[in-house]
Amino acid sequence: DTAVSQTPKYLVTQMGNDKSIKCEQNLGHDTMYWYKQDSKKFLKIMFSYNNKELIINETVPNRFSPKSPDKAHLNLHINSLELGDSAVYFCASSLGGNTEAFFGQGTRLTVV
Amino acid sequence: KNEVEQSPQNLTAQEGEFITINCSYSVGISALHWLQQHPGGGIVSLFMLSSGKKKHGRLIATINIQEKHSSLHITASHPRDSAVYICAVRSTSGSRLTFGEGTQLTVNP
Repeated sequence: DTAVSQTPKYLVTQMGNDKSIKCEQNLGHDTMYWYKQDSKKFLKIMFSYNNKELIINETVPNRFSPKSPDKAHLNLHINSLELGDSAVYFCASSLGGNTEAFFGQGTRLTVV
Repeated sequence: KNEVEQSPQNLTAQEGEFITINCSYSVGISALHWLQQHPGGGIVSLFMLSSGKKKHGRLIATINIQEKHSSLHITASHPRDSAVYICAVRSTSGSRLTFGEGTQLTVNP
């Protein structure tokens, strides 16, 4: 069983569209994260949720909105996609904020 | 300047060589992570440590809190070790991870 699963793995879409990336973890973790990896392979945190509550919200455009329906899911919705949103987005989870993090396989988003 | 600096950025080795990747950080931390990202893109957590040394198979991670420095060693390197190795720190002020820029390791047969 996949511990942290993201869907889709690849997403190609046109500028201006709205899209969602889903993330689910079956580890019983209470903290979930979204990270963005740019073309230079640099990872940066976007959001963190603990028990469905937002605890970290980095300087991310309002077009990005995370939604956590329950502790096991953290979805990322992106409105009005722009070319600069093209990147690989990683979901991760951990038990509390100070334990090992488990990563999903990543979603490669390409905006054309 | 990034809070987490890794060196070298790129490293090419011959199979069997001993490899060291370094990580320096400038903030107070509660833990440091070493991650591995394979060419396929998936990220795997290798170690989480807050003091001393940890070993898993051919991999060894050490940390010196006073010097704000950590090293990842690979003994008897193998082509399958080729990947990007990423250092990340969790600051004492919160739960976020701050990442280094990664070290691209290529091990040639």
